[in-house]
Amino acid sequence: GGIITQTPKFLIGQEGQKLTLKCQQNFNHDTMYWYRQDSGKGLRLIYYSITENDLQKGDLSEGYDASREKKSSFSLTVTSAQKNEMAVFLCASSIDRVSGNTLYFGEGSRLIVV
Amino acid sequence: AQSVTQPDARVTVSEGASLQLRCKYSYSGTPYLFWYVQYPRQGLQLLLKYYSGDPVVQGVNGFEAEFIKSNSSFHLRKASVHWSDSAVYFCAVSPITEGADRLTFGKGTQLIIQP
Repeated sequence: GGIITQTPKFLIGQEGQKLTLKCQQNFNHDTMYWYRQDSGKGLRLIYYSITENDLQKGDLSEGYDASREKKSSFSLTVTSAQKNEMAVFLCASSIDRVSGNTLYFGEGSRLIVV
Repeated sequence: AQSVTQPDARVTVSEGASLQLRCKYSYSGTPYLFWYVQYPRQGLQLLLKYYSGDPVVQGVNGFEAEFIKSNSSFHLRKASVHWSDSAVYFCAVSPITEGADRLTFGKGTQLIIQP
């Protein structure tokens, strides 16, 4: 089996600050995803990547950048942190982009903006 | 576009009792249907998924779900819950003609098990 590791588990930043979350997977999966989880709102897709160096915007991409420099890693940057962005960010991967594939999730990174 | 409705934000059941968590979806075709579970301070894990065949699909830890096309529902069931089943459960739908990035999640149902 594999694992998805998200760092840091908690990220505390100031309003207006640029903050970066990192995700590593050892499944050797092609496709990786970043979701935002707000309490009572389910998961919303921010960015995904089909393969190394590919980036695709999700429904919630405004205010975020992403980077996929290696197949095993996928980073998400909050370009200017706002207090209403405090949420849990979940990284996931799947073997490829085909519908019906299982997504494997990391434990999440909680963003706190002060 | 597809959508998923989980009408119950929170469900409380006694340990050993049976469970049903409700899920209804909106999609013009036949989609992939999933149930994921999120235990405290963890990411989501797949419980089961369905596309075709027997409308009752078995998952891990004694969970099963039934696809009822006429009702656009995919309810999750378990015959006898354990305290370790306390978690948040997400129903999700993915159109078969699009990529996995089009996976749409419901808002989740928090399951609380009473001793």
